[in-house]
This record gives sequence, structure tokens and C-alpha cells, in this order.
Amino acid sequence: DAGVIQSPRHEVTEMGQEVTLRCKPISGHDYLFWYRQTMMRGLELLIYFNNNVPIDDSGMPEDRFSAKMPNASFSTLKIQPSEPRDSAVYFCASSLTSGGTYEQYFGPGTRLTVT
Amino acid sequence: QQQVKQSPQSLIVQKGGISIINCAYENTAFDYFPWYQQFPGKGPALLIAIRPDVSEKKEGRFTISFNKSAKQFSLHIMDSQPGDSATYFCAAALRGSTLGRLYFGRGTQLTVWP
Repeated sequence: DAGVIQSPRHEVTEMGQEVTLRCKPISGHDYLFWYRQTMMRGLELLIYFNNNVPIDDSGMPEDRFSAKMPNASFSTLKIQPSEPRDSAVYFCASSLTSGGTYEQYFGPGTRLTVT
Repeated sequence: QQQVKQSPQSLIVQKGGISIINCAYENTAFDYFPWYQQFPGKGPALLIAIRPDVSEKKEGRFTISFNKSAKQFSLHIMDSQPGDSATYFCAAALRGSTLGRLYFGRGTQLTVWP
């Protein structure tokens, strides 16, 4: 398996623009997580899905952030409008939680810079 | 509120030395405690994990020590090598949870110098 795939790997955009980050989880995994990593706040869970259904979005910073999972093989995280404080590395992770296994497999991340 | 508290924030160790990273938790419903390792430019990856029915788990140079009564667990890296330089995250998951969610610590940036 190719692992979790994220695109783009790097994104530079101007304040006020819409940004869409994409994720393809590992085939067969039933959970998908979106994280944000910054030096100041560490690794923050934004939202996660189970079988394409959002379970907890309490980590989403504000209404400018939205996430969707239209099918088992694709998810998006959208920021509209973007702000400089959104600059961070965004990770997608997936897991298969059968048998009490909680291992999450992370993608390579998208480094977002908002100027 | 941070469910899992990790220390130190950064650690510098000489090659061949022992690196120790500590984590503490309050929720006694946690029943799975993994450590993740992250190299620059990469996503975190599972390094080693333990369940509370054992006090220690060793895999090569990496050992998790678990103290259930103190609600603490730690990662020990023996004979630390420059290649171990990375950020390490401890985490915890709830007992019986099918949600798959991990509660991560803030991370420790480890530097091993030659």
C-alpha cells in the first residue's frame, strides 16, 4: 500500500484566499483524522471521521475551517478565507480500529503558508 | 485541557547516552499508551506501545516504563544515536473505545549529538 497520500505537499497563498487540502487514506481504514502542527501548539486534532461520518469537530478552530469525506477514499480540509495564523503543517492520518488496535498512519503533511 | 502532559519539551543527549521522556495522565480509563516518532519533514509514525497490564515493554533500544499507580509512563532510549534525533510524542487511548482517537502530548524534540 502507498500509505496515506496528501496533496499538495506545500501551499503558499495570500490572506483571504480559499485553501483546499486533500487526503487519501489507506484502503480499508475506517477512521480518518485531520491534525494541525505548529511549534506553539504542537499536534492538534481538528476533526475525525468514522466510516465517512464526522464524529468530533470540536478541534476545528472556527467557521472558516470545514472538512468533508464524501467517500471512503477521499477527504478534504478547506479554509476559507485563509489567514496568516493558519500557517502550519496539516496532517491527515487513518486507522483501522478492529481488535483494539489504535495505530494511526500519518501522511507526509501539507505545509501551508499564508502571507 | 491537555489530557496527556509530556516533558521535557526539548532534550539534548550525547551519543551513547540514555534519553528519557516522561508523560503523565489523569484519566484512568486510558488503556493504550503509544509513542510516536517524527523526523523533520515527515508525519509521526508509531514507535512502540504498551497496555497497562504490563509495567515495561522493550523493543531494541527503546523501552516504555509504565507506572499505573502514578499514572505515568516514560520512553527510554538506550545508547542514543544521532539517527534518533527526532520529535517524540506520547499518546493515550480510552478503554473499550472504538473511536480510535489518540490523545497526544505536546512532543519532545530530541537532539543526539556525536
